[in-house]
Amino acid sequence: QKEVEQDPGPLSVPEGAIVSLNCTYSNSAFQYFMWYRQYSRKGPELLMYTYSSGNKEDGRFTAQVDKSSKYISLFIRDSQPSDSATYLCAPRGRGSTLGRLYFGRGTQLTVWP
Amino acid sequence: DVKVTQSSRYLVKRTGEKVFLECVQDMDHENMFWYRQDPGLGLRLIYFSYDVKMKEKGDIPEGYSVSREKKERFSLILESASTNQTSMYLCASSPGREGGELFFGEGSRLTVL
Repeated sequence: QKEVEQDPGPLSVPEGAIVSLNCTYSNSAFQYFMWYRQYSRKGPELLMYTYSSGNKEDGRFTAQVDKSSKYISLFIRDSQPSDSATYLCAPRGRGSTLGRLYFGRGTQLTVWP
Repeated sequence: DVKVTQSSRYLVKRTGEKVFLECVQDMDHENMFWYRQDPGLGLRLIYFSYDVKMKEKGDIPEGYSVSREKKERFSLILESASTNQTSMYLCASSPGREGGELFFGEGSRLTVL
């Protein structure tokens, strides 16, 4: 079983839609949950991260973690064409070897005007 | 800003050639990583390093080697390139013993003919 499962999409939505991106994971030792955004032909960049269970909001983006079900979500409100990118979830354990991240396959999102 | 620089954005090599991919980071990070990214497979860890001259195998080290002679520089070596090594290669770095946010380079797209 892979450490992290993520539906690769692609996902295509109209501008203004609410987008929900999700991952599941298998390792109960994961404590930090990161979301990276990768634009075409660029390297990934950290978008948000949360520690343990709960929600974290940053502008139009909300990250949610449910450790009991090992489920990670990223919500995008009022989506914009500039949000078109691949989104990768990446959990890691506390004190894990070098803080190694385990990446999902990434979900490709297109927001059309 | 943290900068991770990969020396070549695009390379075309022939089967059997030796290939060097160079990566330099300017933030004095302890940890450096090499990933490859393929459609449908996501990011897969090849090798990582937590100190000068130290290296650890990731999930797919076969056919690759690495070198870290200086803290800021981490090189990926393909001793004898094969067509199945055609991919996007991403270098990343992170600070500290427990790691943290990964900072990625822009990627090196390698085509092996």
